[in-house]
Amino acid sequence: GAGVSQSPRYKVAKRGQDVALRCDPISGHVSLFWYQQALGQGPEFLTYFQNEAQLDKSGLPSDRFFAERPEGSVSTLKIQRTQQEDSAVYLCASSLWGRTGDQKQYFGPGTRLTVT
Amino acid sequence: AQSVTQLGSHVSVSEGALVLLRCNYSSSVPPYLFWYVQYPNQGLQLLLKYTSAATLVKGINGFEAEFKKSETSFHLTKPSAHMSDAAEYFCAVNERSGGGADGLTFGKGTHLIIQP
Repeated sequence: GAGVSQSPRYKVAKRGQDVALRCDPISGHVSLFWYQQALGQGPEFLTYFQNEAQLDKSGLPSDRFFAERPEGSVSTLKIQRTQQEDSAVYLCASSLWGRTGDQKQYFGPGTRLTVT
Repeated sequence: AQSVTQLGSHVSVSEGALVLLRCNYSSSVPPYLFWYVQYPNQGLQLLLKYTSAATLVKGINGFEAEFKKSETSFHLTKPSAHMSDAAEYFCAVNERSGGGADGLTFGKGTHLIIQP
């Protein structure tokens, strides 16, 4: 079946604008993760959902970042009042089950956000 | 707290030569360990994972990694490099369920260059 998809693939925002990034996980996957990957760095964990419940948001860098997954499938990462330091690739990943650390995560291609 | 160190941001090998990518981890509890590969404009793909069943783990595309607890290492190897192996490689750690974070902790990545 289809893998994890993300849209848009590229987003340019002016500083101060709000943006919304979408993730469509693999159908039936319980767990959904968001990561932020700055240029030349490894991905950094932002937040985790198990179905519609946001169980971990410890990685969100500020209260300008908000994520939701209201029906337990599609997720949206929203960034308010974007700043230049928000420029990065935002990765979404899903896995079949909930909350066991040995699971394979399936990653989407990412959304590259550039804040000018 | 868990962390990953990848030694060498860039590794260059000749086609047909041995590939060795180094990864050392830190974890307060027994870890799960992963290697992911990232090709340009594609999502991260799982190469292999260690979950304690066996210390030598075989993955896709001829890669393997050995878990060495005494050295806190999980180095990735391939006996003979192919041009198609050129990519960014990430080592990642997750703690076992019940005590750890939900998301993966990644290293900064190693860019593998294959010389013809």
